[in-house]
Amino acid sequence: AQKITQTQPGMFVQEKEAVTLDCTYDTSDQSYGLFWYKQPSSGEMIFLIYQGSYDEQNATEGRYSLNFQKARKSANLVISASQLGDSAMYFCAMREGQGFSSGSARQLTFGSGTQLTVLP
Amino acid sequence: DAGITQSPRHKVTETGTPVTLRCHQTENHRYMYWYRQDPGHGLRLIHYSYGVKDTDKGEVSDGYSVSRSKTEDFLLTLESATSSQTSVYFCAIKGSNYGYTFGSGTRLTVV
Repeated sequence: AQKITQTQPGMFVQEKEAVTLDCTYDTSDQSYGLFWYKQPSSGEMIFLIYQGSYDEQNATEGRYSLNFQKARKSANLVISASQLGDSAMYFCAMREGQGFSSGSARQLTFGSGTQLTVLP
Repeated sequence: DAGITQSPRHKVTETGTPVTLRCHQTENHRYMYWYRQDPGHGLRLIHYSYGVKDTDKGEVSDGYSVSRSKTEDFLLTLESATSSQTSVYFCAIKGSNYGYTFGSGTRLTVV
């Protein structure tokens, strides 16, 4: 079973409108972290936002917010007031477990991504 | 932000030749990772390192080896490149907090 599922291969949104990118995850760990990254056409991976499994409030970073619904195992990214520069591929990722030790490097597991296009 | 550099940025190589990609970091972080990115798959972990000479396999390690003889360098080697290894390769480091920082990527084409 996939650990991170992004069901929207492509999304379109009108400039200045809000958009929600879906992400569901699967883990048996109680402690985990959820991440969103943006990858513009230039190719670099840009960190957007992080949510810890024990964080009681949804994470926000400027125009980005993470709609974290633990019981449903979803971690949707909400972008408010979309801009043309938001057009990019967006990846949801998860780190399972807590702490770091030899042989347990807590790598990120990624979804397949959502290509967002902002229309003028 | 941690300094992380990948080289080369682009490479075209022939099937059957060995290829080494380099990841260099400047801030002494312990954990380093190699991922490959393919359409429809997101990023998948190839190998990771948790210290000098300490490495382990990831999800898609077949056909790849790694070495870390110094904290700052993590090398990914394709012993005998195949067309299925045409991909974009990313190196990442685990920073001092929860963050992970990625290099700019290496686009490898095996012809």
